Amino acid sequence: GAGVSQSPSNKVTEKGKDVELRCDPISGHTALYWYRQRLGQGLEFLIYFQGNSAPDKSGLPSDRFSAERTGESVSTLTIQRTQQEDSAVYLCASSPDGPLPYGYTFGSGTRLTVV
Amino acid sequence: QKEVEQNSGPLSVPEGAIASLNCTYSDRGSQSFFWYRQYSGKSPELIMSIYSNGDKEDGRFTAQLNKASQYVSLLIRDSQPSDSATYLCAVKASGGSYIPTFGRGTSLIVHP
Repeated sequence: GAGVSQSPSNKVTEKGKDVELRCDPISGHTALYWYRQRLGQGLEFLIYFQGNSAPDKSGLPSDRFSAERTGESVSTLTIQRTQQEDSAVYLCASSPDGPLPYGYTFGSGTRLTVV
Repeated sequence: QKEVEQNSGPLSVPEGAIASLNCTYSDRGSQSFFWYRQYSGKSPELIMSIYSNGDKEDGRFTAQLNKASQYVSLLIRDSQPSDSATYLCAVKASGGSYIPTFGRGTSLIVHP
């Protein structure tokens, strides 16, 4: 597609439920990033996928968070047993990657509200 | 710990003035630098990238990079109320990891 697509755009869930967020990157972009942005806060790195390499999971805040990506296609971020502090906008970005100054294109985000 | 620092603001400028936004970074080996604009409730949008020392101009925007002093700045000429947003500085790490580090952003308000 022309841009990074994320779904759903909004999700309200009850505390303790699992949620799955989806990101469809720009075709041909080998790198995919997930970020979290709490209200009024900066971007918090979660996880990075590069092609078929092992993902960099160093930003995941707990073992309730996991993400998958098959090849250079769609990625899903799963949050198990959601807590109220998980409420945030989850942003996905993709990039051609590499040392050159390729920018990152963000999707419109998923706003997650845990009640 | 790689750090990217920005003044949170808000920076308030009158319409037509030059807005100057600054960013410093800790990783001396950083290679690429980006400025993103984020309107309230929206996702970040790339407006400038730079990787060589000096100035890079694109329309009303100029990015300035000084690797020796480890800072990058964004100048917005003829500021418009529509430029009111949060501006995020991002730095691409050196070495084998291309995970960008984002600053917390500077809020810019352009008043008529």
